[in-house]
Amino acid sequence: EVQVWEIGGGLVPPGGSLRLSCAASGFTFGTYAMSWVRQAPGKGLEWVSTIGASGGRTYYADSVKGRFTISRDTSRNRLYLQMNSLRADDTAVFYCAKMGPVSTSTPHWGQGTLVTVSS
Amino acid sequence: SYVLTQPPSVSVAPGKTARITCGGNNIGSKSVQWYQQKPGQAPVVVIYYDSDRPSGIPERFSGSNSGNTATLTISRVEAGDEADYYCQVWDSPSDHAVFGGGTLLTVL
Repeated sequence: EVQVWEIGGGLVPPGGSLRLSCAASGFTFGTYAMSWVRQAPGKGLEWVSTIGASGGRTYYADSVKGRFTISRDTSRNRLYLQMNSLRADDTAVFYCAKMGPVSTSTPHWGQGTLVTVSS
Repeated sequence: SYVLTQPPSVSVAPGKTARITCGGNNIGSKSVQWYQQKPGQAPVVVIYYDSDRPSGIPERFSGSNSGNTATLTISRVEAGDEADYYCQVWDSPSDHAVFGGGTLLTVL
């Protein structure tokens, strides 16, 4: 059974940093692109970032480019999102997703982790 | 940037057919995913690759995509189908994933 689940999240002050992790199981992690998607309270879904299967290509939403860094460790089946210079409008539930430019395989999402940016 | 347009809400009586549209410039040339999200829960994919249905998703859910409109069709709607639905594509020119604004399906 394919599973992805987020680790991390929490309260961080404006300007602070936080690193989210995502663990994966049930599929060959190194052969699929992975993504982060977020949802601010009461709002719709917003794509944040995607990393290619090999980790060689990364893509970012304009709203996070230069502040967030996506990475992966295939040996540990882990996906990461390093978030720096956090702002109040980054407050959201962050979802890890088996999802990428090619959609011929079934997407799978985690349950999400809440990141709150507040003093 | 590429934009996907969904109606904010759709209402349907139980047992009837609901159709939720997703408009985008030449969306027919892209692969569309549809996600269902119930309150307090994570999104769940109900359709991917325009019309493929993941295991466990009822056959009542189907998708189509042509021209400038993709459509999620839910037949024999049940009360449990009430949720927000989002369409999503990958826009190759910008190398961005794009979500529609979401449609609230209300079962009357």
